[in-house]
Amino acid sequence: NAGVTQTPKFQVLKTGQSMTLQCAQDMNHNSMYWYRQDPGMGLRLIYYSASEGTTDKGEVPNGYNVSRLNKREFSLRLESAAPSQTSVYFCASSGQGGTGNNEQFFGPGTRLTVL
Amino acid sequence: AQSVTQLGSHVSVSEGALVLLRCNYSSSVPPYLFWYVQYPNQGLQLLLKYTTGATLVKGINGFEAEFKKSETSFHLTKPSAHMSDAAEYFCAVSEDFKTIFGAGTRLFVKA
Repeated sequence: NAGVTQTPKFQVLKTGQSMTLQCAQDMNHNSMYWYRQDPGMGLRLIYYSASEGTTDKGEVPNGYNVSRLNKREFSLRLESAAPSQTSVYFCASSGQGGTGNNEQFFGPGTRLTVL
Repeated sequence: AQSVTQLGSHVSVSEGALVLLRCNYSSSVPPYLFWYVQYPNQGLQLLLKYTTGATLVKGINGFEAEFKKSETSFHLTKPSAHMSDAAEYFCAVSEDFKTIFGAGTRLFVKA
C-alpha cells in the first residue's frame, strides 16, 4: 500500500517549456487535489477533482491544467512554465471529500524550478 | 469565506518544555479543523482532527488540541517537547471539498 505517489521528485525547466506532474493513489479515494507550497504562504489549492470525471478550479489555477485520468490518477500540466511557478507541488487524496471531514493524504511532493 | 491564522511563523522551545502553537479560524458553518505536520522534504501528515463531539482532541506523538468555539481557536499543545518534534505545523479548516491551510508555524526544539 504505497498511499499517494508523485513523479518526478525534482524537475528543472526553462521558461516556456511544458511538463506534466503525475499523481496516483491506491486508497480508492474519490477526491484528489493539487497544491503548491511557497515559503510563508502555506498550501494553496490549484485544482481539485471531487470524483472521477470532474475537475474544478481552486485558489490559484492560472497557468495550470489538470486531468483526472481515472479514479487512481490525477495529473497536473504546465503548458508554458514561468519562473513564478517555481514551487513545491503536492498531490493529495481524500476518501470523504464533500462532507467537510476532509482528511487528506499527501504525496512526497515535486520540487520544480523554472529558470 | 473560511480563513485560518497561525500566530507566529517560528516558535522555539527547549527540549522538555511545553509546546503551544496557536491557530484561529473563521468559518460560516460548524468547522472541521485539522492539524498537519510536515517534516523536512516530506509531504504533510495528519496529527489530529476535530469534527464533532469532544472539544479536546488527542492526536499522534502526544499532541492534543482544544476546539474553543467562543474564541474561534484550535491551539495545538504538547506537554513536553522532544527533539523529533522539530517540523512545520499547519492548521487547516475544511468545508465541502476544500481545505484552507494556515501559513504554517515552524517549531524549533533546543537541546
